[in-house]
Amino acid sequence: NAGVTQTPKFQVLKTGQSMTLQCAQDMNHNSMYWYRQDPGMGLRLIYYSASEGTTDKGEVPNGYNVSRLNKREFSLRLESAAPSQTSVYFCASSERTGLNEQFFGPGTRLTVL
Amino acid sequence: DAKTTQPTSMDCAEGRAANLPCNHSTISGNEYVYWYRQIHSQGPQYIIHGLKNNETNEMASLIITEDRKSSTLILPHATLRDTAVYYCIVRAYNAGNMLTFGGGTRLMVKP
Repeated sequence: NAGVTQTPKFQVLKTGQSMTLQCAQDMNHNSMYWYRQDPGMGLRLIYYSASEGTTDKGEVPNGYNVSRLNKREFSLRLESAAPSQTSVYFCASSERTGLNEQFFGPGTRLTVL
Repeated sequence: DAKTTQPTSMDCAEGRAANLPCNHSTISGNEYVYWYRQIHSQGPQYIIHGLKNNETNEMASLIITEDRKSSTLILPHATLRDTAVYYCIVRAYNAGNMLTFGGGTRLMVKP
């Protein structure tokens, strides 16, 4: 099992550009999450999906959109990137929403110039 | 979530047991103790959790004191790959969706 995979691993954008971060899990988990982690800081939840077909805002949703494509895949889109969105983005999954055992992907390092 | 206190950093010799303490004196009866770690430049990794009994899995052991006000994560034979920041989190089962990591303990395993 690959667990949680994310693509791309690294990305550099110019201000105003758009991009989509991809995440997939092969653990048959119902819930998926997107976090961001800024240097020297903790995780902050952007969006989550309790189950296929549902999405909800987390702590810092502004500037992002998400799509739960199917049970396996959960994508994060930046429509108009800003330097404040420079961060490391982690996708995670859990058997169901609210569980504290979350399994994380390797992260996408995004720099917005 | 209950507040936790962990040492900022610790060293451990390779092959020896690493014992990482966590104080959580305000823990409630329905709150579990969870441990995660984050190896440099990688995603957080779930290690283990427990309520009041000691727990062991393939990665580590978790010892919770009888009064539940503190716990210790034990890596029985630390390797260089165990060098990471270890986070102790106390929260109720089904507490919500966002995990919150405090400062954690930076464990350095040395040859």
